[in-house]
Amino acid sequence: GIQVEQSPPDLILQEGANSTLRCNFSDSVNNLQWFHQNPWGQLINLFYIPSGTKQNGRLSATTVATERYSLLYISSSQTTDSGVYFCAVMGGVSNYQLIWGAGTKLIIKP
Amino acid sequence: EAQVTQNPRYLITVTGKKLTVTCSQNMNHEYMSWYRQDPGLGLRQIYYSMNVEVTDKGDVPEGYKVSRKEKRNFPLILESPSPNQTSLYFCASRGPGEQYFGPGTRLTVT
Repeated sequence: GIQVEQSPPDLILQEGANSTLRCNFSDSVNNLQWFHQNPWGQLINLFYIPSGTKQNGRLSATTVATERYSLLYISSSQTTDSGVYFCAVMGGVSNYQLIWGAGTKLIIKP
Repeated sequence: EAQVTQNPRYLITVTGKKLTVTCSQNMNHEYMSWYRQDPGLGLRQIYYSMNVEVTDKGDVPEGYKVSRKEKRNFPLILESPSPNQTSLYFCASRGPGEQYFGPGTRLTVT
Protein backbone atom coordinates (compact mmCIF):
# COMPACT_ATOMS: atom_id res chain seq x y z
CA GLY A 1 0.00 0.00 0.00
CA ILE A 2 0.87 3.65 -0.03
CA GLN A 3 3.60 4.78 2.37
CA VAL A 4 3.49 8.28 3.84
CA GLU A 5 6.55 9.88 5.37
CA GLN A 6 6.59 13.21 7.16
CA SER A 7 9.59 15.31 8.06
CA PRO A 8 10.90 16.56 10.33
CA PRO A 9 9.46 14.44 13.16
CA ASP A 10 9.99 17.25 15.66
CA LEU A 11 10.43 20.98 15.29
CA ILE A 12 11.01 23.61 17.98
CA LEU A 13 10.81 27.26 16.96
CA GLN A 14 10.56 30.70 18.49
CA GLU A 15 7.38 32.67 18.05
CA GLY A 16 7.47 34.59 14.79
CA ALA A 17 9.57 32.08 12.88
CA ASN A 18 8.54 30.43 9.63
CA SER A 19 8.50 26.70 9.01
CA THR A 20 8.07 24.15 6.25
CA LEU A 21 6.71 20.67 6.89
CA ARG A 22 7.05 17.97 4.27
CA CYS A 23 4.95 14.95 3.32
CA ASN A 24 6.23 12.35 0.85
CA PHE A 25 4.01 9.59 -0.49
CA SER A 26 4.93 6.50 -2.43
CA ASP A 27 2.15 6.26 -5.02
CA SER A 28 -0.30 8.46 -6.88
CA VAL A 29 -3.09 9.83 -4.71
CA ASN A 30 -6.52 11.33 -5.32
CA ASN A 31 -6.90 12.82 -1.87
CA LEU A 32 -4.40 14.55 0.39
CA GLN A 33 -5.25 16.39 3.56
CA TRP A 34 -3.30 18.26 6.21
CA PHE A 35 -4.56 18.22 9.78
CA HIS A 36 -3.49 19.95 12.97
CA GLN A 37 -3.97 18.12 16.25
CA ASN A 38 -3.90 20.70 19.01
CA PRO A 39 -2.63 20.01 22.53
CA TRP A 40 -6.21 19.22 23.62
CA GLY A 41 -6.39 16.41 21.09
CA GLN A 42 -8.76 17.93 18.55
CA LEU A 43 -8.09 17.20 14.87
CA ILE A 44 -8.58 20.27 12.75
CA ASN A 45 -8.79 20.25 8.97
CA LEU A 46 -6.22 22.58 7.46
CA PHE A 47 -6.22 21.80 3.75
CA TYR A 48 -7.72 19.39 1.27
CA ILE A 49 -5.08 19.56 -1.43
CA PRO A 50 -4.58 16.61 -3.80
CA SER A 51 -2.73 18.99 -6.12
CA GLY A 52 -1.89 22.66 -6.49
CA THR A 53 -1.49 25.42 -3.92
CA LYS A 54 -3.86 26.84 -1.33
CA GLN A 55 -3.53 29.54 1.28
CA ASN A 56 -5.44 30.26 4.45
CA GLY A 57 -4.11 33.17 6.45
CA ARG A 58 -0.61 32.40 7.71
CA LEU A 59 -0.80 28.82 6.44
CA SER A 60 -0.35 27.62 2.91
CA ALA A 61 0.14 24.25 1.27
CA THR A 62 1.46 22.97 -2.02
CA THR A 63 1.11 19.48 -3.44
CA VAL A 64 3.18 18.39 -6.43
CA ALA A 65 1.36 15.20 -7.29
CA THR A 66 3.71 14.17 -10.11
CA GLU A 67 6.66 14.26 -7.70
CA ARG A 68 4.67 12.75 -4.82
CA TYR A 69 5.13 15.33 -2.12
CA SER A 70 3.28 18.05 -0.31
CA LEU A 71 4.54 20.97 1.74
CA LEU A 72 2.83 22.87 4.52
CA TYR A 73 4.13 26.37 5.22
CA ILE A 74 3.51 28.18 8.48
CA SER A 75 4.56 31.81 8.59
CA SER A 76 4.95 34.09 11.61
CA SER A 77 4.37 31.18 14.00
CA GLN A 78 2.28 31.70 17.11
CA THR A 79 2.17 29.59 20.27
CA THR A 80 -1.30 28.42 19.25
CA ASP A 81 0.30 26.72 16.23
CA SER A 82 1.87 24.15 18.57
CA GLY A 83 0.71 20.58 18.22
CA VAL A 84 1.11 17.75 15.76
CA TYR A 85 0.63 18.18 12.03
CA PHE A 86 -0.53 15.15 10.09
CA CYS A 87 -0.58 14.47 6.40
CA ALA A 88 -3.06 11.82 5.20
CA VAL A 89 -3.59 10.49 1.69
CA MET A 90 -5.92 8.21 -0.20
CA GLY A 91 -5.36 6.45 -3.50
CA GLY A 92 -4.28 3.27 -5.20
CA VAL A 93 -5.69 0.13 -3.60
CA SER A 94 -6.48 2.11 -0.43
CA ASN A 95 -9.08 4.13 -2.23
CA TYR A 96 -11.52 4.19 0.66
CA GLN A 97 -9.21 4.67 3.65
CA LEU A 98 -6.93 7.54 4.59
CA ILE A 99 -3.29 6.51 5.05
CA TRP A 100 -1.61 8.60 7.71
CA GLY A 101 1.89 9.89 8.17
CA ALA A 102 3.45 9.73 11.62
CA GLY A 103 3.15 13.49 12.06
CA THR A 104 5.42 16.44 12.78
CA LYS A 105 5.37 17.64 16.37
CA LEU A 106 5.73 21.42 16.41
CA ILE A 107 6.50 23.41 19.54
CA ILE A 108 6.40 27.20 19.33
CA LYS A 109 8.14 28.91 22.22
CA PRO A 110 7.07 32.41 23.32
CA GLU B 1 -22.01 24.62 9.68
CA ALA B 2 -20.48 21.30 8.63
CA GLN B 3 -20.13 19.28 11.79
CA VAL B 4 -19.39 15.87 13.26
CA THR B 5 -20.51 15.50 16.85
CA GLN B 6 -19.56 12.83 19.36
CA ASN B 7 -20.83 12.05 22.83
CA PRO B 8 -19.67 11.72 25.46
CA ARG B 9 -16.44 13.69 25.19
CA TYR B 10 -15.00 12.04 28.30
CA LEU B 11 -15.90 8.72 29.87
CA ILE B 12 -14.46 6.69 32.72
CA THR B 13 -15.95 3.24 33.08
CA VAL B 14 -15.20 -0.18 34.52
CA THR B 15 -14.26 -3.41 32.81
CA GLY B 16 -17.23 -5.23 31.32
CA LYS B 17 -19.81 -2.46 31.48
CA LYS B 18 -21.31 -2.00 28.01
CA LEU B 19 -21.09 1.48 26.56
CA THR B 20 -22.00 3.34 23.39
CA VAL B 21 -20.29 6.38 21.91
CA THR B 22 -22.60 8.26 19.59
CA CYS B 23 -21.56 9.99 16.38
CA SER B 24 -23.64 12.19 14.13
CA GLN B 25 -22.89 14.25 11.02
CA ASN B 26 -24.95 16.94 9.29
CA MET B 27 -23.33 16.83 5.83
CA ASN B 28 -25.32 13.97 4.31
CA HIS B 29 -22.08 12.04 3.83
CA GLU B 30 -22.27 8.39 2.89
CA TYR B 31 -18.88 7.40 4.31
CA MET B 32 -18.28 7.37 8.06
CA SER B 33 -15.62 5.73 10.18
CA TRP B 34 -14.22 5.29 13.67
CA TYR B 35 -10.58 5.61 14.71
CA ARG B 36 -8.66 5.15 17.89
CA GLN B 37 -5.48 7.04 18.67
CA ASP B 38 -2.85 5.75 21.05
CA PRO B 39 0.57 7.24 21.88
CA GLY B 40 3.18 6.08 19.39
CA LEU B 41 0.65 4.21 17.24
CA GLY B 42 -1.05 7.05 15.42
CA LEU B 43 -4.64 6.85 14.19
CA ARG B 44 -5.94 3.38 13.48
CA GLN B 45 -9.25 2.69 11.84
CA ILE B 46 -11.69 0.51 13.79
CA TYR B 47 -14.71 0.26 11.48
CA TYR B 48 -16.04 2.12 8.50
CA SER B 49 -19.36 2.39 6.70
CA MET B 50 -19.81 3.13 3.02
CA ASN B 51 -23.56 3.75 3.41
CA VAL B 52 -26.63 2.84 5.43
CA GLU B 53 -26.57 -0.81 6.50
CA VAL B 54 -23.08 -1.26 4.98
CA THR B 55 -20.26 -1.60 7.49
CA ASP B 56 -16.85 -3.23 7.38
CA LYS B 57 -13.86 -3.87 9.59
CA GLY B 58 -10.90 -1.56 9.66
CA ASP B 59 -7.48 -2.35 11.05
CA VAL B 60 -8.38 -2.91 14.73
CA PRO B 61 -12.04 -4.09 14.97
CA GLU B 62 -11.69 -6.59 17.83
CA GLY B 63 -13.86 -5.70 20.82
CA TYR B 64 -16.00 -3.17 18.95
CA LYS B 65 -19.33 -3.15 17.14
CA VAL B 66 -20.98 -0.53 14.97
CA SER B 67 -24.30 0.00 13.29
CA ARG B 68 -25.51 2.30 10.52
CA LYS B 69 -29.28 2.44 10.53
CA GLU B 70 -29.45 6.05 9.35
CA LYS B 71 -27.08 8.01 7.16
CA ARG B 72 -26.33 10.66 9.79
CA ASN B 73 -25.55 8.36 12.77
CA PHE B 74 -22.77 5.84 13.32
CA PRO B 75 -22.52 4.72 16.95
CA LEU B 76 -19.57 2.76 18.33
CA ILE B 77 -20.44 0.01 20.80
CA LEU B 78 -18.13 -1.63 23.30
CA GLU B 79 -20.04 -4.60 24.61
CA SER B 80 -17.49 -5.60 27.26
CA PRO B 81 -14.83 -2.90 27.56
CA SER B 82 -11.37 -3.84 28.74
CA PRO B 83 -8.45 -1.67 29.93
CA ASN B 84 -6.65 -2.06 26.58
CA GLN B 85 -9.50 -0.10 25.01
CA THR B 86 -8.50 2.97 26.97
CA SER B 87 -7.84 5.43 24.18
CA LEU B 88 -8.83 8.59 22.34
CA TYR B 89 -11.59 7.84 19.85
CA PHE B 90 -12.55 9.84 16.78
CA CYS B 91 -15.54 9.58 14.52
CA ALA B 92 -15.10 10.82 10.96
CA SER B 93 -17.30 11.60 8.00
CA ARG B 94 -16.24 12.03 4.38
CA GLY B 95 -17.90 13.41 1.29
CA PRO B 96 -16.52 13.62 -2.24
CA GLY B 97 -13.46 15.47 -0.97
CA GLU B 98 -12.20 16.00 2.52
CA GLN B 99 -12.74 14.05 5.69
CA TYR B 100 -14.07 15.75 8.81
CA PHE B 101 -13.44 14.58 12.36
CA GLY B 102 -15.48 14.82 15.51
CA PRO B 103 -13.97 16.40 18.64
CA GLY B 104 -12.89 13.06 20.10
CA THR B 105 -13.92 10.92 23.06
CA ARG B 106 -11.40 10.17 25.79
CA LEU B 107 -12.28 6.76 27.19
CA THR B 108 -10.69 5.26 30.29
CA VAL B 109 -11.53 1.68 31.26
CA THR B 110 -10.45 0.67 34.77
